[in-house]
Amino acid sequence: DVKVTQSSRYLVKRTGEKVFLECVQDMDHENMFWYRQDPGLGLRLIYFSYDVKMKEKGDIPEGYSVSREKKERFSLILESASTNQTSMYLCASSFYPVGGGSGELFFGEGSRLTVL
Amino acid sequence: GEDVEQSLFLSVREGDSSVINCTYTDSSSTYLYWYKQEPGAGLQLLTYIFSNMDMKQDQRLTVLLNKKDKHLSLRIADTQTGDSAIYFCAEPISSNDYKLSFGAGTTVTVRA
Repeated sequence: DVKVTQSSRYLVKRTGEKVFLECVQDMDHENMFWYRQDPGLGLRLIYFSYDVKMKEKGDIPEGYSVSREKKERFSLILESASTNQTSMYLCASSFYPVGGGSGELFFGEGSRLTVL
Repeated sequence: GEDVEQSLFLSVREGDSSVINCTYTDSSSTYLYWYKQEPGAGLQLLTYIFSNMDMKQDQRLTVLLNKKDKHLSLRIADTQTGDSAIYFCAEPISSNDYKLSFGAGTTVTVRA
């Protein structure tokens, strides 16, 4: 089974702290994604990566950065956490382009971040 | 596909059918997806439909696609308590792209 593992299920941080959210997938997938999930807004794409060291901005990249030094690991970084970044963060991976029908996204269980 | 729209809540009695509706935006989308998120978990792909199909049936699930109206629906027959979850409609942002655009999600509550 494909497994996408997010290192922290729950985090509590203070405003201004630097936050790292780690995600690892074990199926040699090319593509990895970070989404943010908020009630009533669904999932919004923050960043995605289609290859090692490659990244592209999604719909809401402001306040975030990412790192993909190895194929299996994709990290989301909040340089200076703010209260409006309190949210559920979901990592996902896929092998094929999603437009091809077989481009299923496999999701981790999520990291719930609270910024005080 | 920038704005995939769904109603936010659905309450259904156990044993009845649930119908979840979605309006998508890109008429060129080749595939459309339904994902399910159970409490405390990430999303899992439930089913998908190719755009040249009007209907797809998979056990208790029926997906209907109306391309003219850009309307997608998911019907769950004989709804069970284990079907309580958030259901997301999703479409590719472009036909050869790597990104999905998700709706806000419909929270389905199954009552006894």
